[in-house]
Amino acid sequence: KAGVTQTPRYLIKTRGQQVTLSCSPISGHRSVSWYQQTPGQGLQFLFEYFSETQRNKGNFPGRFSGRQFSNSRSEMNVSTLELGDSALYLCASSTGQGASEQYFGPGTRLTVT
Amino acid sequence: GQNIDQPTEMTATEGAIVQINCTYQTSGFNGLFWYQQHAGEAPTFLSYNVLDGLEEKGRFSSFLSRSKGYSYLLLKELQMKDSASYLCAVRKTGGSYIPTFGRGTSLIVHP
Repeated sequence: KAGVTQTPRYLIKTRGQQVTLSCSPISGHRSVSWYQQTPGQGLQFLFEYFSETQRNKGNFPGRFSGRQFSNSRSEMNVSTLELGDSALYLCASSTGQGASEQYFGPGTRLTVT
Repeated sequence: GQNIDQPTEMTATEGAIVQINCTYQTSGFNGLFWYQQHAGEAPTFLSYNVLDGLEEKGRFSSFLSRSKGYSYLLLKELQMKDSASYLCAVRKTGGSYIPTFGRGTSLIVHP
């Protein structure tokens, strides 16, 4: 079974631009969660999607948004990029809400200059 | 909210045993996770405890005491490849199944 895949793996953007990151969960997994990881703040939850609906949202500004498609693939978008958005963005999939195990993708390393 | 504390960094010797502690404060507990994350890689699941006691999985064991808000991850027969960050995460009751992560403990194993 293929693992969680994320594209692109690395991205460099400038302030004010927008970016879209993609995540393909493990086949059969319907829940996708997004996290931001920085050295200072650790792993912070952005949002979770299940059956194309956002089920939970973390404490991030509205510039961060996401969606999930009918095949469970998910995208997250960050508009009007700021320097502080530089981070590793991780996607995790699980069979459903409440699952005891999440499988993480390799992440997208975003650098904002 | 949730408060999760774990040491920032630990060092140990190859072949030894190390215990990484995690304390938490949460209103409504619904499970504690441990993840391992090597530098530049994704976190990988190690264990999940929802009841008190010790769960053993090969060289790794995880312990939970809900009354004390305390867990530890025990790594035996340390190997160099165990050098990584170990993340403790707590899930609470009340509708959201999303765990809150601690900042991680960086373990350095030296020869």
